[in-house]
Amino acid sequence: EDKVVQSPLSLVVHEGDTVTLNCSYEVTNFRSLLWYKQEKKAPTFLFMLTSSGIEKKSGRLSSILDKKELFSILNITATQTGDSAIYLCAVGSSGNTPLVFGKGTRLSVIA
Amino acid sequence: DGGITQSPKYLFRKEGQNVTLSCEQNLNHDAMYWYRQDPGQGLRLIYYSQIVNDFQKGDIAEGYSVSREKKESFPLTVTSAQKNPTAFYLCASSMRGGLLYYGYTFGSGTRLTVV
Repeated sequence: EDKVVQSPLSLVVHEGDTVTLNCSYEVTNFRSLLWYKQEKKAPTFLFMLTSSGIEKKSGRLSSILDKKELFSILNITATQTGDSAIYLCAVGSSGNTPLVFGKGTRLSVIA
Repeated sequence: DGGITQSPKYLFRKEGQNVTLSCEQNLNHDAMYWYRQDPGQGLRLIYYSQIVNDFQKGDIAEGYSVSREKKESFPLTVTSAQKNPTAFYLCASSMRGGLLYYGYTFGSGTRLTVV
């Protein structure tokens, strides 16, 4: 059975801190790993990592994929209160099977 | 603008009632999905459909039913057999075979509460 495990499940930091969110997975026929940010309702897409793209960066957010050790990290530098959200990790396998999601990490950034 | 619309945003159900959650997309996506989200549980797959008139059960399909008569629409019925339906329900869509490149587009969700 495919499995995605995120840690920590929740985290409280102060503005300006750097945070690292973890995602490990066990999936047959791995194709892609995705990160989403969910503030109130609809998750919004952050990054997709695949065999051909194991490192992504956008502003203060960056992510890497380690296919050998089967994990990914999402880094947020200089955190702001607007970064407070649930961060979801999901993994896609080959064919048309649905994404498998982890339980998410709830990040709270306090001023 | 293309997107995916869920309605209603909030829904209250009496015990023993069936209720239907609507999900419509105009993205021309082939595949559609229903997930349930409970606090601390992440997203759990209820049902998904890759093409019209075909759908498959996910991990927690018991007490739910779906139909896919049109490409644009994938309604979810929460039946009285679902013993703990209070949750946040998310609908999503994607290009078929496009997970590698596109991921999902999500609706804004429906919060269902049993009263």
